[in-house]
Amino acid sequence: GQQVMQIPQYQHVQEGEDFTTYCNSSTTLSNIQWYKQRPGGHPVFLIQLVKSGEVKKQKRLTFQFGEAKKNSSLHITATQTTDVGTYFCAGLRTGGGADGLTFGKGTHLIIQP
Amino acid sequence: DTGVSQDPRHKITKRGQNVTFRCDPISEHNRLYWYRQTLGQGPEFLTYFQNEAQLEKSRLLSDRFSAERPKGSFSTLEIQRTEQGDSAMYLCASSINRGAAAFFGQGTRLTVV
Repeated sequence: GQQVMQIPQYQHVQEGEDFTTYCNSSTTLSNIQWYKQRPGGHPVFLIQLVKSGEVKKQKRLTFQFGEAKKNSSLHITATQTTDVGTYFCAGLRTGGGADGLTFGKGTHLIIQP
Repeated sequence: DTGVSQDPRHKITKRGQNVTFRCDPISEHNRLYWYRQTLGQGPEFLTYFQNEAQLEKSRLLSDRFSAERPKGSFSTLEIQRTEQGDSAMYLCASSINRGAAAFFGQGTRLTVV
């Protein structure tokens, strides 16, 4: 079955440093979504990427979708304490009838002030 | 509140007992998903509904699990003869169409003792 892998599992940064998490799928994806989960909270949708090579920005966050639609990355510039949480990528398989998202294990972002 | 709501938020049950969880999706969303999340892992897809039809079930959904969405609105997830391995956060999400952002509820945390 489809697998989505994320690295690193944990990332410790000093406040103000940059952060990147990488996501790789074993199969080509229809789209990829990113979610953030705060400690004790539920996943919250951040963004969706659909096109090969797509790049989207949200303030300090930059999301990329690979040319082969099998990998993606999230980069945060100048982290702030509000960025703490776990960042998940989630892939949607190609083809109709397969609606469930396959999530990676997430990258836990820990920020030291 | 127009978000996804889940009830109960917490459930402690003895092994062998049956439990039922409820999810109320965002009203205009016709797709409803159930996921399970254990500590340190990403959400794992269990099943999804389009309106009242259950269209996809994961291999994780053993025959002790059953889900319904009788009128295409709220959904229930029942676990029969609970086992300790069923202890997890059960998350419900809804979306407006395939591949769209999934909006998660706050989850039901199940502890089987």
